[in-house]
Amino acid sequence: DGGITQSPKYLFRKEGQNVTLSCEQNLNHDAMYWYRQDPGQGLRLIYYSQIVNDFQKGDIAEGYSVSREKKESFPLTVTSAQKNPTAFYLCASSMAGTAEAFFGQGTRLTVV
Amino acid sequence: KQEVTQIPAALSVPEGENLVLNCSFTDSAIYNLQWFRQDPGKGLTSLLLIQSSQREQTSGRLNASLDKSSGRSTLYIAASQPGDSATYLCAVRGNYGQNFVFGPGTRLSVLP
Repeated sequence: DGGITQSPKYLFRKEGQNVTLSCEQNLNHDAMYWYRQDPGQGLRLIYYSQIVNDFQKGDIAEGYSVSREKKESFPLTVTSAQKNPTAFYLCASSMAGTAEAFFGQGTRLTVV
Repeated sequence: KQEVTQIPAALSVPEGENLVLNCSFTDSAIYNLQWFRQDPGKGLTSLLLIQSSQREQTSGRLNASLDKSSGRSTLYIAASQPGDSATYLCAVRGNYGQNFVFGPGTRLSVLP
């Protein structure tokens, strides 16, 4: 089945650690996105990529990094510079930058 | 800067009712608008995508309309069922941007 796979579903991070969230899609979509969702704040864009080896910062990129070495994969690293990383992270993709977007099932990150 | 609001924030109805969810946006220069459903702790499921040139889209019991000039979209759900209980989000893409701006969502409860 085609779709977007995020892993892990739950992730725990100690203070000062970097962690990487995985996002893989087999939809042959060009564009991929990372969003953060906090209670009462809606979805906010972290990073997006329109093509391989290219990506742009979204509204809240500080403390995060990404790579896009393959069309299918867009991993997100939450660095120790991100002061409040506890949130629900959602990955999305679309055929082109303005087409219908599809989402993965999310990763819930908790700082312990 | 585009801002998206959704009214009401929460809605509780008995099973079988027809209902309308509202989405408003401040900048009418949009490329498209997409409605999503989110179950607790899950990712977003795409419901309907309306291009800026369209007035409405239908899928089963769902009908979404778009009035660009007034900056509004409505999602109509016919004959609601308990399984429709979820949070409904709308998101708009601007003409010159590649990314969605999301509304805060409407939390719907359909009571048996």
